[in-house]
Parts: sequence; C-alpha cells; structure tokens
Amino acid sequence: DTEVTQTPKHLVMGMTNKKSLKCEQHMGHRAMYWYKQKAKKPPELMFVYSYEKLSINESVPSRFSPECPNSSLLNLHLHALQPEDSALYLCASSQAIGDGQETQYFGPGTRLLVL
Amino acid sequence: GDSVTQMEGPVTLSEEAFLTINCTYTATGYPSLFWYVQYPGEGLQLLLKATKADDKGSNKGFEATYRKETTSFHLEKGSVQVSDSAVYFCALLNTGFQKLVFGTGTRLLVSP
Repeated sequence: DTEVTQTPKHLVMGMTNKKSLKCEQHMGHRAMYWYKQKAKKPPELMFVYSYEKLSINESVPSRFSPECPNSSLLNLHLHALQPEDSALYLCASSQAIGDGQETQYFGPGTRLLVL
Repeated sequence: GDSVTQMEGPVTLSEEAFLTINCTYTATGYPSLFWYVQYPGEGLQLLLKATKADDKGSNKGFEATYRKETTSFHLEKGSVQVSDSAVYFCALLNTGFQKLVFGTGTRLLVSP
C-alpha cells in the first residue's frame, strides 16, 4: 500500500482565520514533506521532517507552521494567510535512508482558497 | 545546482499514437530519476523510476531509460489512450538530499 491521505480536500478561509491541513501515512516512512503547487507549475518544497524532526525549511513565511506529532502524521497550521497563498498543498512521504533512491509518494492534496 | 529540463507542452496526440516526452538533467553525482503524472484535480502519482545508469523504468505501458551519457530520461509509450491525458513531471533526487528537483511539467492531450 502506497497511500498518503490528506484532509480536507478543499478549504476556503479568510485572511484572519486559523486552519490546519492534515496528512497521514501508514507505510512506515520516516520522512514526510509539504509542497505547495500553483496552477500550471511544478510542486515547490516547503518543509521536510525526518524522524519527526524538522530537517528542511525552504524559507517559508511563519504564517505556515508545520507539526509532526508522530511518525504517521503531519500537520500544516495556517494563520493570517494572504490571497497569494491560494494553491494546492501536497503532502508526501518516503523512507529516510539518505542514499538518493528514496521514492516520495504523494497524497491527493488540499486545494486552498484564501479570500 | 541540479536542474531538470522538459519539453514545452502541450503535446497533442490522437489515440494510439506514439508518445515521447523529452527530459534532460544536470546534476553532480548519480541521482535517481522519476516520472510523476498528475491527472486533473489530483495529486502526483509515481509513474516510474530508475536509480542508476542504463536502468529502464516501466509501468502501465510507459518506459524511460536512464542515459548517463546523454543525461536524459525520455518518457515513451507505444500507443496512448485518452485516459493518458495529464501533466507529466520529470524529477531527480540526488544522493544525500531529500529535495526532489522537478521539471516544469508537460501537458499531454490525447483526442479520440
């Protein structure tokens, strides 16, 4: 099974709202990722967690706050977003071996609209 | 730094036509190479991968061969179907890094 699940599928929020995106995997992977994808563009890496510790932050604004409560779950907390943050947010997971052969498996994404 | 270059789209084909989507890369060392497919309104799905030179990845009739001498990983399919209409991303992952480097994506449109 190579399934990564994400909730919600769609989210509309105002600029003053606080919301969270959730991601879950049960493949035993110890690396989890958040990507942002704008229309007609490739995904852009935001954060990487390895063994529940934040290992990469691609200079993401602090209005995005990731959290990895355990090895199966990854959250992205959203606060005071801007309309330009509207995008498809993708979660992925992989083994965390570091040999460059890990395959990242993606979830279906959360489509976020900020009004 | 590492980079991936894909052919511009859209690629428009009739059903049962032969497909080639070109992908070339620039990287130090020996990266793994991937093709991902994204259907409308969905996330990315792994289509195939190759981890070393001369490896051929294949899945669902699609194939790609890791060519180190030409730094290429072209995607091919002998007979496309309407259901293959999607955006295809070529990507690489280098040793010691966790960041996938994506190409810009190529949209494939297959008409009946």
